[in-house]
Amino acid sequence: GAGVSQSPSNKVTEKGKDVELRCDPISGHTALYWYRQSLGQGLEFLIYFQGNSAPDKSGLPSDRFSAERTGGSVSTLTIQRTQQEDSAVYLCASRRQGAGGELFFGEGSRLTVL
Amino acid sequence: KNEVEQSPQNLTAQEGEFITINCSYSVGISALHWLQQHPGGGIVSLFMLSSGKKKHGRLIATINIQEKHSSLHITASHPRDSAVYICAVDLNNNDMRFGAGTRLTVKP
Repeated sequence: GAGVSQSPSNKVTEKGKDVELRCDPISGHTALYWYRQSLGQGLEFLIYFQGNSAPDKSGLPSDRFSAERTGGSVSTLTIQRTQQEDSAVYLCASRRQGAGGELFFGEGSRLTVL
Repeated sequence: KNEVEQSPQNLTAQEGEFITINCSYSVGISALHWLQQHPGGGIVSLFMLSSGKKKHGRLIATINIQEKHSSLHITASHPRDSAVYICAVDLNNNDMRFGAGTRLTVKP
């Protein structure tokens, strides 16, 4: 596709359920980032994938959060046993390489945990 | 203290005014980005710079590496410029840090 694609755009779930959020980056982009933006807050870094290197997971808020990137392309962010504080917009961004490349963001997946 | 500080946090201007948003950082960087997020919308990249100045239409971004400071200027502001403007830096280890954003409202 022409841009970074995220799905679903909106997800409402019950507390305790697991959710999967998908990010399809721009073709050829080796760097992929997941961020979280809570209502009225700034961007919170979650995880960073660069090519085949081990991902930087330093931003994941708890062990309920995990992410993988298969084949160096599509990434899935999984949140297990969701809590109300997980409600946020989850944003994915990609760029051609690491530092110094222009970032391209997806439209985000809005997660609401009831 | 955040590694990336933006000011002001909120800014209201009248249409036509010249606007400046500031970003200061305390870490070594390889590049700095200015991003724009419209209400309910996605985030788009406005500028990426590592030195000097860049201009795109009514937008100008400058960076002073020695002072670890960048500014985003908007000339002849318009209500459609109303958005959150975010400063982000590429750290030397390829990680990124973000400022909290500046919410700009331009009134007609």
